Amino acid sequence: NAGVTQTPKFQVLKTGQSMTLQCAQDMNHEYMSWYRQDPGMGLRLIHYSVGAGITDQGEVPNGYNVSRSTTEDFPLRLLSAAPSQTSVYFCASSQLAGGTYEQYFGPGTRLTVT
Amino acid sequence: AQSVTQLGSHVSVSEGALVLLRCNYSSSVPPYLFWYVQYPNQGLQLLLKYTTGATLVKGINGFEAEFKKSETSFHLTKPSAHMSDAAEYFCAVSSNDYKLSFGAGTTVTVRA
Repeated sequence: NAGVTQTPKFQVLKTGQSMTLQCAQDMNHEYMSWYRQDPGMGLRLIHYSVGAGITDQGEVPNGYNVSRSTTEDFPLRLLSAAPSQTSVYFCASSQLAGGTYEQYFGPGTRLTVT
Repeated sequence: AQSVTQLGSHVSVSEGALVLLRCNYSSSVPPYLFWYVQYPNQGLQLLLKYTTGATLVKGINGFEAEFKKSETSFHLTKPSAHMSDAAEYFCAVSSNDYKLSFGAGTTVTVRA
């Protein structure tokens, strides 16, 4: 199993550009999430999905869109990039284990918006 | 609503010394608590978790944490630090759904 994969690893955008961060998992997990990590703030939830065709907003959804057409893929779209979206983005998938949901994280995408 | 406070953004320990990372939580329901570790330029890896039952939880790499409901704490310890323990550590809380609330993180430096 490759686990959770993310592409690209690094990306530089200009303000106003759009792009899609890719996330895929091969563990057949129902639940998938996107987080952003900023210094001194930990990880904050952007969007999440409980299954194909179902998505919902997390703590910081503004400026981002998601879709979930298959169990495996959960892309994150930046509609019009802003410098405030400079961050490291992590995708995670979850399974129920030992009474709670255990999250598996991808390696991250480091995004810089100039 | 739930939240996590990690006391101390940076901790420096000598190799072989005790590692103690502090985490306090707030939750309106019985919490599920986690510690994750992040090595440089990598994703997060689960160290240990508390769901129900025994309040002392053992994890990977010699770490353990104790759930203290009366103190709303879930501090992480390791008796003897190793150079490979240098990383950032995150405490997280969940109300048993798939959404985690993370603390701000504590960076551990290990001195030779």
